[in-house]
This record gives sequence, C-alpha cells and structure tokens, in this order.
Amino acid sequence: DTEVTQTPKHLVMGMTNKKSLKCEQHMGHRAMYWYKQKAKKPPELMFVYSYEKLSINESVPSRFSPECPNSSLLNLHLHALQPEDSALYLCASSTRGTSTDTQYFGPGTRLTVL
Amino acid sequence: AQTVTQSQPEMSVQEAETVTLSCTYDTSESDYYLFWYKQPPSRQMILVIRQEAYKQQNATENRFSVNFQKAAKSFSLKISDSQLGDAAMYFCAYRRRGNEKLTFGTGTRLTIIP
Repeated sequence: DTEVTQTPKHLVMGMTNKKSLKCEQHMGHRAMYWYKQKAKKPPELMFVYSYEKLSINESVPSRFSPECPNSSLLNLHLHALQPEDSALYLCASSTRGTSTDTQYFGPGTRLTVL
Repeated sequence: AQTVTQSQPEMSVQEAETVTLSCTYDTSESDYYLFWYKQPPSRQMILVIRQEAYKQQNATENRFSVNFQKAAKSFSLKISDSQLGDAAMYFCAYRRRGNEKLTFGTGTRLTIIP
C-alpha cells in the first residue's frame, strides 16, 4: 500500500484567516515532505521532516509553519497568506535509510487565497 | 547543482502507438536515482518507474520502460501501446543517494489521440 492522504481537497481562505493542511501516511515511512506546485510547473520543495525533525526548510516564508506531531502525520499551518500563495500543495513520504528511498505523493490540496 | 531538462513541453501519440519522452540531467555524482512521475488531471503525482544509476539494466514496468544512458546523462521513457489513461504531465526527477531532495524537470504534457 503506497497511500498518502491529504485533507482538505480544496481550501479557500482570506488573507487574514488561519487554516491547516493535513497529511497522513501509514506506510511506516520516516520522511515526509511538503511541496508547492503552481499551474504547469514542477513541484517545489518547501519542507522535509526526517524522523519527525525538520531537516530541510527551503527558505519558506514564516506564514507557512510545518508541524510533524508523529511519524504518520504532517501538518502545514497557514496564516496571513497572500494571493500568490494560491497553488496545489502536495505532501509526500518516503522510507529513510534504504537504498531506493522513493517519494510517494498524496493527491494534494488545492489552495485559493482571496 | 543538479539540473534536469525535459526538452519536449508537449507530445501527442495515437492510441496503441509507442511514444518516447526525453530527459537529460547534469550531475557530477556517480550514485543517484532517476524517476519518472505521472501527474494526470486528477493532480496526484504517481510514480511510473525508477532507475538506480549503478544498475546497467534498464528498468521496466509493464508498458513503461526506460533507456538509461549514464555516460550521456540521458533517461528517456518509452510508453508502449499507449492508452487514453496515459494522458498526463510526465516529470523526470533526479535524487542523489543519501540526499532527501528531488530535482524535477519542467515536465512533458502527453496527449493521447483516440
């Protein structure tokens, strides 16, 4: 089973709102990722958690705040976003310490900031 | 820095025919992995095939196969017996062994003509 789930599927928020995106996997993976994808572009890495610790932050603005409460769950807290933050947000997970370490993606959350 | 280049922004193929998508990459590393991901209009990024650089044998997955030319730094994807469900954006991606970051190409949009 290579399933990564994400909720919600769609989210519309105002610039003053606070919302959260949720990602879950039950594959025993120990690395989880957040990507941002604009239309017709490849995904851009935002954050990586490895063994529940933040290992990579690609200079993402502080209005995006990741959280990894446990090895199966990854959240992305959103606050005071801008319209240009509207995008598809993809979560992925992978094993760590193995040779292949393939990333498996969730279906994404389509975010619209008004 | 590693770069991945997909020189064909769009391609089309008749149903049941064969199509090849090209990908080249630039790296000074010798130990790495290459991937093809498919992203249909449903948005989910789906792993199609992966190749370990140390393996000389080209990877195959049912109707999907790759032509991996390490010296030329080329990694093309061949889709045989194309089906309507193959219509999607295809991304080539590179990852250095031990590194958590995936580097994506810009994608090739594949259209299947009935």
